[in-house]
Amino acid sequence: GAVVSQHPSWVICKSGTSVKIECRSLDFQATTMFWYRQFPKQSLMLMATSNEGSKATYEQGVEKDKFLINHASLTLSTLTVTSAHPEDSSFYICSAYGLAGGLTSYEQYFGPGTRLTVT
Amino acid sequence: KQEVTQIPAALSVPEGENLVLNCSFTDSAIYNLQWFRQDPGKGLTSLLLIQSSQREQTSGRLNASLDKSSGRSTLYIAASQPGDSATYLCAVMQGGKLIFGQGTELSVKP
Repeated sequence: GAVVSQHPSWVICKSGTSVKIECRSLDFQATTMFWYRQFPKQSLMLMATSNEGSKATYEQGVEKDKFLINHASLTLSTLTVTSAHPEDSSFYICSAYGLAGGLTSYEQYFGPGTRLTVT
Repeated sequence: KQEVTQIPAALSVPEGENLVLNCSFTDSAIYNLQWFRQDPGKGLTSLLLIQSSQREQTSGRLNASLDKSSGRSTLYIAASQPGDSATYLCAVMQGGKLIFGQGTELSVKP
């Protein structure tokens, strides 16, 4: 149990275009999903927290109009990078917070990440 | 504001050696502390989670301790193997969010 998938695993796009990244919890329901970005040799920085059916809460310094987050169901959240620029190139990781089958405590389960390169 | 620091930033050891990775945090009001492993270009794998009321957790060759009052945690890896080479991240849960350290990049040489 506790599998979180991300799609795509990597994407290259041109500057000015938009890119959508999906995060799915495959075998459990996640009331909350988190989006992180990670630059090379750096740690994960939380971008936003999303709860199913409500607006995402963005961390300070993260542009909500640039990074659109939708949490349409208990198993799916999407991050859309709008009007991407080269400085948006990064590794984006999602996590899903829930109680996976057979376990006794709520945890964040992480996806495998999406490598975004903007040319 | 919570800050999480990991020392050292990088570590290289010969195979078979026991080693300790350190993590410190500035605010002791945490819900739990978690250690993760990250391989290059990959997501995070959870290794051990210690609730704030616990002192340590063990899984195989890994042992993590937590001293909440002093704001410290250690990850002990016994009999290291080349397959242990990865970046190890510690994170504290506070206010419903995980706050990560910068990580320790471990290289175990055969």
